Amino acid sequence: DGGITQSPKYLFRKEGQNVTLSCEQNLNHDAMYWYRQDPGQGLRLIYYSQIVNDFQKGDIAEGYSVSREKKESFPLTVTSAQKNPTAFYLCASSMVYNLGAEAFFGQGTRLTVV
Amino acid sequence: GQQLNQSPQSMFIQEGEDVSMNCTSSSIFNTWLWYKQDPGEGPVLLIALYKAGELTSNGRLTAQFGITRKDSFLNISASIPSDVGIYFCAGQLHSGGSNYKLTFGKGTLLTVNP
Repeated sequence: DGGITQSPKYLFRKEGQNVTLSCEQNLNHDAMYWYRQDPGQGLRLIYYSQIVNDFQKGDIAEGYSVSREKKESFPLTVTSAQKNPTAFYLCASSMVYNLGAEAFFGQGTRLTVV
Repeated sequence: GQQLNQSPQSMFIQEGEDVSMNCTSSSIFNTWLWYKQDPGEGPVLLIALYKAGELTSNGRLTAQFGITRKDSFLNISASIPSDVGIYFCAGQLHSGGSNYKLTFGKGTLLTVNP
């Protein structure tokens, strides 16, 4: 089945450690996105990529890094510079040629830093 | 940046009642999307709107793209317990280098009492 897979679903890390969240899609979508969700908040854009080997900062990129070496994959690294990393992280993808691009989401990764 | 005001923040209704929620923006959008999120899961796309004035239905759900392009509403008729969740609106403006960014509202938490 086509879709977006995020792993792991739950992740615990010690403060000061970097951690990488996985996002893979087999929808042949060009664009991929990372959002952060906090309780009672909307989705805030961290990074997005419209094409392989290119990505742009979103609204809250500080303390995060990404790579887009393959069309199917867009991993997010939460670095020790992120001051409040505990959150629910959502990956999404969409077609680029369709300007009314509908984004489809993965199941999310809940990161808890202790 | 663009901001979306989504209201109400939460709703408590009885099964069988109709529900209405809306989003307003300080600037125009070319696309409006409505998502539903179940606890601990990623948002699922419900309805996509691409033209000002467009009215689209998906089962018991109906959404409209406001004529000013600055607002949208979502109606749910004859609510059932499985309608429980958080409903998000999202707007997209196709322009410049941020063609594929979605701006999200903060969500409406819907509770349906059987």
